[in-house]
Amino acid sequence: DGGITQSPKYLFRKEGQNVTLSCEQNLNHDAMYWYRQDPGQGLRLIYYSQIVNDFQKGDIAEGYSVSREKKESFPLTVTSAQKNPTAFYLCASMPPWPLSGANVLTFGAGSRLTVL
Amino acid sequence: GENVEQHPSTLSVQEGDSAVIKCTYSDSASNYFPWYKQELGKRPQLIIDIRSNVGEKKDQRIAVTLNKTAKHFSLHITETQPEDSAVYFCAASSGGTSYGKLTFGQGTILTVHP
Repeated sequence: DGGITQSPKYLFRKEGQNVTLSCEQNLNHDAMYWYRQDPGQGLRLIYYSQIVNDFQKGDIAEGYSVSREKKESFPLTVTSAQKNPTAFYLCASMPPWPLSGANVLTFGAGSRLTVL
Repeated sequence: GENVEQHPSTLSVQEGDSAVIKCTYSDSASNYFPWYKQELGKRPQLIIDIRSNVGEKKDQRIAVTLNKTAKHFSLHITETQPEDSAVYFCAASSGGTSYGKLTFGQGTILTVHP
């Protein structure tokens, strides 16, 4: 899957529960990203990390949390504070800047979260 | 922040025709403009990108043009084929260490009829 593995592929959650989505990459990329996609819409940035032990909020960070303890891993926790969490979540990574060409941002296969 | 508008939201063409999708952006600092193709239930795949020091880039049947003055860029697909049917997204970022911080358009559903 292009070196980025997301799990689980499908996840169901009851209201009030926290869930954690896994993202692992073996591409030796420094930067990693979490995007959210809602039906019929483009992707929106949740959180990103450009280096281990550091991360920044994106455009829609409320109700989400992340950690970056290892270069290879960037898990996303969807907390009970996220009011509308049902969506398709995509993790991505990017090689160090300066960039040499195509495939700047490589996406994982995604995790589809449904709140019951 | 950046805002990217994409048109049309749906586009239907006959096989062999050309397809054009247009995007406008608001932040004059943006200098990297990728296009992604997403098939149903799959991850977005980069199909072509352009940086602000270039006005046009072509890769076989796909081309992208950029007008920095007007803040718009377009995707051109020639000789369309049924396998081109998908959702296409444009995006923009300010480059440098922010290459991955993309602002996406709303997407265009392209349908190519045999």
